[in-house]
Amino acid sequence: QVQLVESGGGVVQPGRSLRLSCAASGFTFSVYSMHWVRQAPGKGLEWVAVISNDGSKKFYTDSVKGRFTISRDNSKSTLYLQMNGLRVEDTAVYYCARRGGDYWGQGTLVTVSS
Amino acid sequence: DIQMTQSPSSLSASVGDRVTITCQASQDITNYLNWYQQKPGKAPKLLIYDASNLETGVPSRFSGSGSGTHFTFTISSLQPEDIGTYYCQQYDKFLTFGGGTKVEIK
Repeated sequence: QVQLVESGGGVVQPGRSLRLSCAASGFTFSVYSMHWVRQAPGKGLEWVAVISNDGSKKFYTDSVKGRFTISRDNSKSTLYLQMNGLRVEDTAVYYCARRGGDYWGQGTLVTVSS
Repeated sequence: DIQMTQSPSSLSASVGDRVTITCQASQDITNYLNWYQQKPGKAPKLLIYDASNLETGVPSRFSGSGSGTHFTFTISSLQPEDIGTYYCQQYDKFLTFGGGTKVEIK
């Protein structure tokens, strides 16, 4: 069955970096585009970034452009989100999701606090 | 960017009531629309895809309709286990979510 498992979250100070991973299984990872979506505490869902199936195209929401980088390793069936220059407002649960949103991981919490 | 306007933001209804949530897209998204249920501390659960298709294993009291810019989600007979927050989401270009509807039992 399809599984997406995020990891890498934690508590980090403002300005620091963190890398999230999303390990995929149960489907041919290299066929699908993948997204990162986040949810701040008590708030709604916000799309963060998408990467094409081959990694050649990447798009970001405006608030993370220049700070976050989405990438993937199809040989490892793993999606990544490199987050640099973290801000307090980046505090959220980060989910990875497949293509149109048919499968989601369980999420990993990122807390940015001094 | 495509904006999704969802209403109401919250509702309280009795067990057995018919519940309806609407979602309006800022531009034509044909039928590239999902509906999710989310419970506290959990990831969103897909209920309806392509605007009107019921995801496998989801009870038939849930349904969706619409195309273009106007969409509707219905629970035909609200059950206690249906409490949670519901989101619409377009996937015509990237992903955009509605603001959510918190459903409570009266």
